[in-house]
Amino acid sequence: QVQLVQSGAEVKKPGASVKVSCKASGYTFTRYYLHWVRQAPGQGLEWMGVINPSGGGTIYAQKFQGRVTMTRDTSTSTVYIELSSLRSEDTAVYYCATLEDSWGQGTLITVSS
Amino acid sequence: QAVVTQEPSLTVSPGGTITLTCGSSTGVVTSGHHPYWFQQKPGQAPRTLIYDTSDKHSWTPARFSGSLLGGKAALTLSGAQPEDEAEYYCLLSYSGVRVFGGGTKLTVL
Repeated sequence: QVQLVQSGAEVKKPGASVKVSCKASGYTFTRYYLHWVRQAPGQGLEWMGVINPSGGGTIYAQKFQGRVTMTRDTSTSTVYIELSSLRSEDTAVYYCATLEDSWGQGTLITVSS
Repeated sequence: QAVVTQEPSLTVSPGGTITLTCGSSTGVVTSGHHPYWFQQKPGQAPRTLIYDTSDKHSWTPARFSGSLLGGKAALTLSGAQPEDEAEYYCLLSYSGVRVFGGGTKLTVL
């Protein structure tokens, strides 16, 4: 079955960048687009963007344009999200997901001085 | 960017039926928006209940169903159970860009 395993929690200072990984298994990596969704404490879900693991094409939410980069490594079936110029409002749990069925366990990113 | 709207909170009695809706600021929600519905319980990752308007997974309880109703996407729960108390989010697609609704907190009481 599809399994998505994400990297561990991180604490970052304002202005820094963070890169979170999501390793896929249990299926052909190029079969599903992979999305990134975040959830700030006590808030709702926010879609950040999607990557096509086959060609690497991406679509980003307008809010994150210029600050987010999604990449993939087909040799390890892993997708990455990098968010730069971090601010306190970026403190959230970040999820990767196929949306159709599978979600990662989430990665808590804390931005604090 | 489009805004997706959901009822902030709803309450249903055990065994009762309730419909959650998902509207779009751009107008009528159609199958072309590929509506999704997710359930999230406190401290857990979301779980996909419904995709592409009305398709279910093997783990989706039969009491949940998805549809288009009155220009919106709808999630109907028939025969609510205590374990259905959760936050429910819809997601719509706008030419590849996805937007979540603000979520509906469903109380079973």
